[in-house]
Amino acid sequence: GQQLNQSPQSMFIQEGEDVSMNCTSSSIFNTWLWYKQDPGEGPVLLIALYKAGELTSNGRLTAQFGITRKDSFLNISASIPSDVGIYFCAGQLGYGGATNKLIFGTGTLLAVQP
Amino acid sequence: DSGVTQTPKHLITATGQRVTLRCSPRSGDLSVYWYQQSLDQGLQFLIQYYNGEERAKGNILERFSAQQFPDLHSELNLSSLELGDSALYFCASSVATTGDTEAFFGQGTRLTVV
Repeated sequence: GQQLNQSPQSMFIQEGEDVSMNCTSSSIFNTWLWYKQDPGEGPVLLIALYKAGELTSNGRLTAQFGITRKDSFLNISASIPSDVGIYFCAGQLGYGGATNKLIFGTGTLLAVQP
Repeated sequence: DSGVTQTPKHLITATGQRVTLRCSPRSGDLSVYWYQQSLDQGLQFLIQYYNGEERAKGNILERFSAQQFPDLHSELNLSSLELGDSALYFCASSVATTGDTEAFFGQGTRLTVV
């Protein structure tokens, strides 16, 4: 199946450190979304990006929609233990019909040591 | 709580059997999406319904089918189950099919085929 390239695959950091992860695609997307998934739970939407170049923040999280529309990154500042989880990027090719589905990245596992 | 409800949370069944997974979307959401999450394939789009009609199909096996009812809840039917069908199955919902990408996920159904 289709998946986006997401890196790094995993990160093990100390509490208080900043984190950066990114997603790249060979296809152009009209929308990028970032989700977090806790064990045994469904993905929870963190940030949605709708325009190339857009930079959006949600608390300690900041995400950007790449200018080429083929990539996006997510930064987490001053990490805390509850940031632990798997982070997924997701892209949407277009609007409506078959292009409305989300294509997900391979995920980044984040572990935060107190 | 995303507002998307999935039942059951866990399901254990034998090979060759048939199961039905149920999803109630968020109030007001007309679109329902089904995703499969496995260790080797990640989150894969299966199928989308909008207001009772199928709108998009992804990597859904012929042994799998879905429908959306007039009250907008959806069911995913998996038949002739194989060991490889063991996975987490997520339902997501969103308001509309066009220009709307913020899909909210349920907690998932963990299917184990033995």
